[in-house]
Amino acid sequence: QVQLQESGPGLVKPSETLSLTCTLSGGSVSTYYWTWIRQPPGKGLEWIGYIHYSGSTSRNPSLKSRVTMSLDTSKSQFSLKLSSVTAADTAVYFCARDKGGTEAYMDVWGKGTAVTVSS
Amino acid sequence: QVVLTQSPSASASLGASVKLTCTLSSWHSAYAIAWHQQQPEKGPRFLMRLDSDGSHIKGDGIPDRFSGSSSGAERYLTISSLQSEDEADYYCQTWDRDQRAFGGGTKLTVL
Repeated sequence: QVQLQESGPGLVKPSETLSLTCTLSGGSVSTYYWTWIRQPPGKGLEWIGYIHYSGSTSRNPSLKSRVTMSLDTSKSQFSLKLSSVTAADTAVYFCARDKGGTEAYMDVWGKGTAVTVSS
Repeated sequence: QVVLTQSPSASASLGASVKLTCTLSSWHSAYAIAWHQQQPEKGPRFLMRLDSDGSHIKGDGIPDRFSGSSSGAERYLTISSLQSEDEADYYCQTWDRDQRAFGGGTKLTVL
């Protein structure tokens, strides 16, 4: 059974870089697209971007300049870095598997990790 | 860019049925979508992929009470025999080449 688990600091200072990792169990990151989504408190889901096992990426245009994603196949992990954070980046961050192509929906989700941006 | 519109809230009684709507922007009316459920304080769960002709593929373990249908630019999620655990937020999601988008979500209250 494929499972995803997010990890990373729960508190980040303004202007610093938020770094999160998602660990996959029960499967391989060498297929599919690996995706980050966030949810500000009391609000809806926002797609951040994905990284494909080939190394290609796509990002939400509203966040593009601040988002970096990477993949470590040896550890079955993928990571998100969001730079120059502000309070508006406070959210629960989810990782998910995206099947891509004509089936580009998230079919496996992590439980999420809460990140607060505050000094 | 593709836009998905959902009503913010819906309600129905225990044991009844409810139909939630997700409307695609007019230029994208033939797009397939996915429905996701988010119960309180939990991560989202994939429910189904729904095509423009109403055909749908459900995720593992999703009960038969959940079904999907389509009409034009509208995509529907119908939940029958409502149970208390169906009280949740429901999001539609679609894709356009290398971009993904979510609707604003519908909060379903089971009375």
